[in-house]
Formats: sequence, structure tokens, C-alpha cells
Amino acid sequence: DAKTTQPTSMDCAEGRAANLPCNHSTISGNEYVYWYRQIHSQGPQYIIHGLKNNETNEMASLIITEDRKSSTLILPHATLRDTAVYYCIVRAPMGTGNNRKLIWGLGTSLAVNP
Amino acid sequence: KAGVTQTPRYLIKTRGQQVTLSCSPISGHRSVSWYQQTPGQGLQFLFEYFSETQRNKGNFPGRFSGRQFSNSRSEMNVSTLELGDSALYLCASSPGSGGSLFFGSGTQLSVL
Repeated sequence: DAKTTQPTSMDCAEGRAANLPCNHSTISGNEYVYWYRQIHSQGPQYIIHGLKNNETNEMASLIITEDRKSSTLILPHATLRDTAVYYCIVRAPMGTGNNRKLIWGLGTSLAVNP
Repeated sequence: KAGVTQTPRYLIKTRGQQVTLSCSPISGHRSVSWYQQTPGQGLQFLFEYFSETQRNKGNFPGRFSGRQFSNSRSEMNVSTLELGDSALYLCASSPGSGGSLFFGSGTQLSVL
């Protein structure tokens, strides 16, 4: 089963970039890296995903290493509202019909400080 | 487009009772998955349904069961509740098996 490893917690100053790392050494060739975040007592919110190229959207950037064994989520200008738990998971693409069981770790608790 | 809807939002039960939780996915989504979240364990995968068929199952006892209807709505049932079943139960939908997950707000279950 695909598993990811993330630091338990991180701090970031407001306005600075937050770089959240994730290791996924057992990722399969067709599995994507997904990032979600969860604010207390709400459902996780989708942030971004990628296969092997770097990706950027209005929320964040995703950098995936060439060997695909690790990735970094970048919040370019962190705000107080970015304080949340961030999860990195690997998941098969839609339509493959061959999902391995999703394993969510405890994520990284990011605290953005004023 | 409406998001994933879970009902009820909060639920209080006593040990030994059973409970049924409901999840309505985003319109057009055919896959629904369920998760249990507790403070010490994080998100634990329960099961995933696609087109009324269970595709994957996590490591939970048989007291936890689910089903999916032809309109993709899903229910999750827990029988003979235990204190340790107190948790936030989350449902997520996706267009197919695999791909981006969209979560509901969850059902907070408290077992007394």
C-alpha cells in the first residue's frame, strides 16, 4: 500500500513561503501525488496534484523530484488562514479501476505566525 | 454545483446501539469513499464504492459496513457501537475510481 511520510509540524512567518516536504518512496509509476489540507473539524480540501512535472495553481506550487520519491508543497505567501493540517497522499489516476488502499498519515500541522 | 453532503452533522449514541450515516456525492460522481478520523490516528480509510460495488476496504471490523445506491448516494452503518467508535466520519466523492477526492464536512459521532 502506498504510504507517505511528512514532518509532524512546521512553523512559518506570515508573508513568507511555506515549504512542506513529503516522502513517497513506494509510489507506483502511474500514481499521482495529491495534497489536501484540513482546517479543524472540517473535511479536507483539495489543493493540488501532479504526476512528475511541477504544477502550480492559484493556491500553491508542487515540486516533485525526478525520481518521484518525494515532493514539496509550496505556499508562496503564507497567511494566517493557511494554518491547517496538510496531507500528502498518492492515488491512482481516474479510470484505472485499480486503486490501492489510500493511506493518510497524520499530516503536517502548519502554524502560520503573525 | 452542490458539494458533498453528509447527514447528520452531529450524532450521539450509546454503546451497543447501531448508527447509519449518509453521504450524497457531487452530482455525476460515481465513487464514494469513507474515512474515520480520530485525534491520535488521523484519517483511516474504511471503504470505497464505485458504481454500487465495493472496490477497496480498510482494516476495520465487520461491524463497519457500507453500501452505495444506484444514484451514487452512499450509507455507512456501524453496529454494536463501542466507545472507541467516537470519531469524525468523512465521506469523499470523485468522478471515477481514482482521481481527485472531494470531501464533505463529516459526521461527528459521539458514543457514550
